[in-house]
Amino acid sequence: GAVVSQHPSWVICKSGTSVKIECRSLDFQATTMFWYRQFPKQSLMLMATSNEGSKATYEQGVEKDKFLINHASLTLSTLTVTSAHPEDSSFYICSATWVAGGYYNEQFFGPGTRLTVL
Amino acid sequence: AQSVTQPDIHITVSEGASLELRCNYSYGATPYLFWYVQSPGQGLQLLLKYFSGDTLVQGIKGFEAEFKRSQSSFNLRKPSVHWSDAAEYFCAVGRTNTGFQKLVFGTGTRLLVSP
Repeated sequence: GAVVSQHPSWVICKSGTSVKIECRSLDFQATTMFWYRQFPKQSLMLMATSNEGSKATYEQGVEKDKFLINHASLTLSTLTVTSAHPEDSSFYICSATWVAGGYYNEQFFGPGTRLTVL
Repeated sequence: AQSVTQPDIHITVSEGASLELRCNYSYGATPYLFWYVQSPGQGLQLLLKYFSGDTLVQGIKGFEAEFKRSQSSFNLRKPSVHWSDAAEYFCAVGRTNTGFQKLVFGTGTRLLVSP
């Protein structure tokens, strides 16, 4: 299957700082990338959908000013957690796919990024 | 709203024994259903999917799942578990009928395999 990478795999930051997480599709062009958040012992929660060259679409309850998403190319999307606080500590996962004729193909998932905010 | 329930948080199976992981969904229309496996340090991997047609779906790594509309279930099975199957398993339902879009995941079942 297609490969998706995330960088960094883990990050620790101080409260109030911003953190950027990268998601790259390594061997295919991703028209669409998804960002999820996973709490311990809980399921993945979709945060937002980002389409290349467009503004991201955020799920209800997700603060778009807190979680900035940029999808500037067909192989890279970034999630920036602005002014991070301890409650933002979580496991962030991205996935990538392509859309053809309005149909979403299989999502390929990155390995995730563990964010710890002190 | 669509939802997915995986009632078992942990399951321990002896190597070589059969496995069944339960999944129940709530969705108004014909659902798109998925099973994923998550191993430490790796991204979620799709095991199998059901969109329509035959209700018994074959997947990778010897897994299969059966869609039962009357029970709103999509249980995952494997006849003989290997130690390498130890991982976290997630059932998911698609919120739209446009393929792999708007996935809603269950809380996962952690599979432990004993020797």
